[in-house]
This record gives sequence, C-alpha cells and structure tokens, in this order.
Amino acid sequence: DADVTQTPRNRITKTGKRIMLECSQTKGHDRMYWYRQDPGLGLRLIYYSFDVKDINKGEISDGYSVSRQAQAKFSLSLESAIPNQTALYFCATSDFQGTGELFFGEGSRLTVL
Amino acid sequence: GQQVMQIPQYQHVQEGEDFTTYCNSSTTLSNIQWYKQRPGGHPVFLIQLVKSGEVKKQKRLTFQFGEAKKNSSLHITATQTTDVGTYFCAGGSSNTGKLIFGQGTTLQVKP
Repeated sequence: DADVTQTPRNRITKTGKRIMLECSQTKGHDRMYWYRQDPGLGLRLIYYSFDVKDINKGEISDGYSVSRQAQAKFSLSLESAIPNQTALYFCATSDFQGTGELFFGEGSRLTVL
Repeated sequence: GQQVMQIPQYQHVQEGEDFTTYCNSSTTLSNIQWYKQRPGGHPVFLIQLVKSGEVKKQKRLTFQFGEAKKNSSLHITATQTTDVGTYFCAGGSSNTGKLIFGQGTTLQVKP
C-alpha cells in the first residue's frame, strides 16, 4: 500500500458543486501539504499544516479550504468548484526531523465542467 | 513573495547528449531540493542541497547550489531514455518552513 493515499484519483464535477479531496498517510509525519499542478506552472502550494492545530495558507488558497482531522489525515475542499480549478492535485508529507523531503501521493485529477 | 523560476520549460535531446536545467530564486534560500516526475506519475525526491557552493553527484546527475544560495542547476551527462520526465527544483525558506517549486523542465530523449 502507498504511504500517502489520495482519494478520489479522478473526479469530474460541475461548476458550483462542493468537492472534497482526501489524503491519508502512514508515514507518521507531522507536516502535510496540498499542491496544485498545472502545465507550465509547476506545483503551487495551496495549504500546509505542520501539526493538527496548525493550518497555513500557501500561494493560492483562494477558493479552497482544508481540514486536518488527525495527524494522518488532511483534506482539501472546494466549496463551489469553478472550471479554472481543473487541475492535478497532490498531497505531500514531510518529517520535521528529517531532510525536509516531500513524499507525494499519486495525485487526484479534478475536472470541473 | 518568494518566487522560484526554472528554465528551460522544455528540452528535447538526442540520447547521449547532455542536459541542464537552471533554477533561480528571488530570495536567498535555506536549501534547495530537486524532484523528478515521470509521465503520469508523482514527483519523487532526488536530492537536497544546503550549503553555499555545494555540489553533489548521483551517477550521471550533478547538482549545484550557488554561492549566494539563490540559484541551482541539475546537469545530466549522456542522457538515456530513462531520464525522460519533468524535473522540478524547490526552494526552501527558513522563515516560513515551506517549499516553493519552480515551473519544472520537461525532458524528452530521442533514442
């Protein structure tokens, strides 16, 4: 099983719908991140959390919200999806005491029609 | 805010040719990391550089961190078809503790 698991892997939805992307990890890491990948734009940080009580906005948090339900779970919500939120979303974790290396999930491809 | 620029965006090479991607930050970095993403896959960590002027090698890959800790490069010697993918640099900030990624360089290798 993957150490960082994202669900769903693929989702097609309509404008205005609420969407939740979930991430769970078995690595025991405190730090979790949500990134968005668009062609030519690289990986942009949406939100990050250094522990259960710590939530921080990244570069592009508008239109998104997150919830850190437990050390192992970090979910990303789109309250009212719009077409320009069509992208590949990655969850990642890192260990504060390690090198800072990010461990990525397999990605969630979201299409908003 | 902190920005990390990476060039080129795309590079097509003949197998056996060398390849280099460059990364520049608008601010001084505490560290820089490099990742590789295979087509259809997720980014995978390659290496981290921390010290000014640091050079590290992994087989045919050479990573450099600039003296001012604002730029970095990845050089691949004698590319192989297995090198195909997108290479990302990611700059770390000691102030915020977060990583900012460059746009990535997509490498295509013609056999």
